Amino acid sequence: KAGVTQTPRYLIKTRGQQVTLSCSPISGHRSVSWYQQTPGQGLQFLFEYFSETQRNKGNFPGRFSGRQFSNSRSEMNVSTLELGDSALYLCASSLAQGGGTEAFFGQGTRLTVV
Amino acid sequence: AQTVTQSQPEMSVQEAETVTLSCTYDTSENNYYLFWYKQPPSRQMILVIRQEAYKQQNATENRFSVNFQKAAKSFSLKISDSQLGDTAMYFCAFVHSGTYKYIFGTGTRLKVLA
Repeated sequence: KAGVTQTPRYLIKTRGQQVTLSCSPISGHRSVSWYQQTPGQGLQFLFEYFSETQRNKGNFPGRFSGRQFSNSRSEMNVSTLELGDSALYLCASSLAQGGGTEAFFGQGTRLTVV
Repeated sequence: AQTVTQSQPEMSVQEAETVTLSCTYDTSENNYYLFWYKQPPSRQMILVIRQEAYKQQNATENRFSVNFQKAAKSFSLKISDSQLGDTAMYFCAFVHSGTYKYIFGTGTRLKVLA
């Protein structure tokens, strides 16, 4: 069974540009959540989606947005990139709606903004 | 607001010895779950162990066990017979029942010494 797949693995962008990151969950999983990991702030929650609906959003500016498709694949978009957006972006998928079951994480997308 | 605190930024342990990683959390919720995740240099977050808050019995997974003290809001991880492959960052996480909005601690970097 394939794990959570995040593409691309590495990305370098220039300030002011926008970027789209993709996450393909484990087959059958309908819940996808996103996290930003930085040395200074640690792991911070971005969004949570279930069946194409955003259920929760973290404390990030409106430049960060996301969506989930009918096949449960999810994308997140960051517009007008800032240097501080450089981070590892992790996606996690889960089978059920709710926090009790295990969340399986992808290997992340390393975004560098220059 | 829910918070998770890991007070040990770094720890080391000799191979085959036992080590305990500390975690405290703060919440006003009654229904929640606690997790320990491991993040090796490959960046893949891997579930180590989970604990349902409504269960008094401490969770155990092979060499890994927890000491869950609900009243004290403490959730420590004990690793017995430490192995070189246990070297990683360990994150304590809290999630409220019904959501996948994980709240992570800042992590403890564990190094197992040969």
